[in-house]
Amino acid sequence: NAGVTQTPKFQVLKTGQSMTLQCAQDMNHEYMSWYRQDPGMGLRLIHYSVGAGITDQGEVPNGYNVSRSTTEDFPLRLLSAAPSQTSVYFCASIRQGTGTEAFFGQGTRLTVV
Amino acid sequence: AQSVTQLGSHVSVSEGALVLLRCNYSSSVPPYLFWYVQYPNQGLQLLLKYTSAATLVKGINGFEAEFKKSETSFHLTKPSAHMSDAAEYFCAVTNAGGTSYGKLTFGQGTILTVHP
Repeated sequence: NAGVTQTPKFQVLKTGQSMTLQCAQDMNHEYMSWYRQDPGMGLRLIHYSVGAGITDQGEVPNGYNVSRSTTEDFPLRLLSAAPSQTSVYFCASIRQGTGTEAFFGQGTRLTVV
Repeated sequence: AQSVTQLGSHVSVSEGALVLLRCNYSSSVPPYLFWYVQYPNQGLQLLLKYTSAATLVKGINGFEAEFKKSETSFHLTKPSAHMSDAAEYFCAVTNAGGTSYGKLTFGQGTILTVHP
């Protein structure tokens, strides 16, 4: 029972490089989200999706792109990495309907130098 | 719009003492409220949730929280702290139902330290 799987767990990028953070869930959840965690700021929503083919911006979307071609996968793309994107990234999935909680992956720790 | 404020970025208690972590929320519609715990280098694990049923909610590991609409609060308590409770705790809010349910707003987190 894998739940939400994120890869890679750690990554170091140089400024200007691009990369994709992978997120996959095997619970057939409709909603998926990406958050970034920074010290003293909690988790902030980057992008979210309510189903395949439907995405929308969250609180801090600049510098990130997402797409959702299948229910299972929700990759996050950094187009041109900047030091300000150094953070821990979490993917979450939620089953549609009221009263259900988010399930989180283990996180990707990204450092941009 | 919704927001969460956790009072106290660090809380320190002795083993066996009461744990009280404070959370106040702001929401224009009835909220769903959550407490998550994060152990070092791990993801977030749900402790408990309020989804408009009973206002006193019991969770895992002996934690509970009470939803007080008049005070817009959802404080987390545990009668007796254990060393294993040392972690960072996050309060989060979302609106009940609709597409907004995919969006959680988190507080800034409270690091709980438990002393022997």
